[in-house]
Amino acid sequence: ETGVTQSPTHLIKTRGQQVTLRCSSQSGHNTVSWYQQALGQGPQFIFQYYREEENGRGNFPPRFSGLQFPNYSSELNVNALELDDSALYLCASSLGGNPLSVSTDTQYFGPGTRLTVL
Amino acid sequence: RKEVEQDPGPFNVPEGATVAFNCTYSNSASQSFFWYRQDCRKEPKLLMSVYSSGNEDGRFTAQLNRASQYISLLIRDSKLSDSATYLCVVKPSGGSYIPTFGRGTSLIVHP
Repeated sequence: ETGVTQSPTHLIKTRGQQVTLRCSSQSGHNTVSWYQQALGQGPQFIFQYYREEENGRGNFPPRFSGLQFPNYSSELNVNALELDDSALYLCASSLGGNPLSVSTDTQYFGPGTRLTVL
Repeated sequence: RKEVEQDPGPFNVPEGATVAFNCTYSNSASQSFFWYRQDCRKEPKLLMSVYSSGNEDGRFTAQLNRASQYISLLIRDSKLSDSATYLCVVKPSGGSYIPTFGRGTSLIVHP
């Protein structure tokens, strides 16, 4: 096991609602990345947090926001949910922070939260 | 052209076969490359990093071809347990830290 945990495991929401997903990183890791994986697709990068600061963002609208806490755990918040937001949301932790260091590049994924928007 | 492209498959092979997947990328400044394995309804797990000189881990061999901008994964002596989706990941160099996943290649190993 990677030591990365996520909660909840499953969630059902309706359009327009808001959701908060949580992730605890592997011990010693200071970077958390969030991904959205639709059925049959690869994970799409949402954003990354390094030492409590956003450190890169993918092509997602502002209603996707996040936080990282001093213990390096993280939250993903999605406002005004849309049907297309239904997906598996994955977080991944890494040592990160130094994009030139391949050895710290490796990301370890949590089991994901499966979000269904009705 | 997509940033990272993979043949979705499925590749359907018998036990003991050798199978290879390619993954092409469009950004010539890409710095880091990885192969992940994802089982059905599970999270991706790192299979191996891909180094410039190529690397091997047991039955798995990864290669990088910068000139043609692709990485490859070779699996020898396929096992039933190798059945999964194989995702390639490409990361750029410099300050941007946005990794790009391919959509994955599905492998089915049958008896």
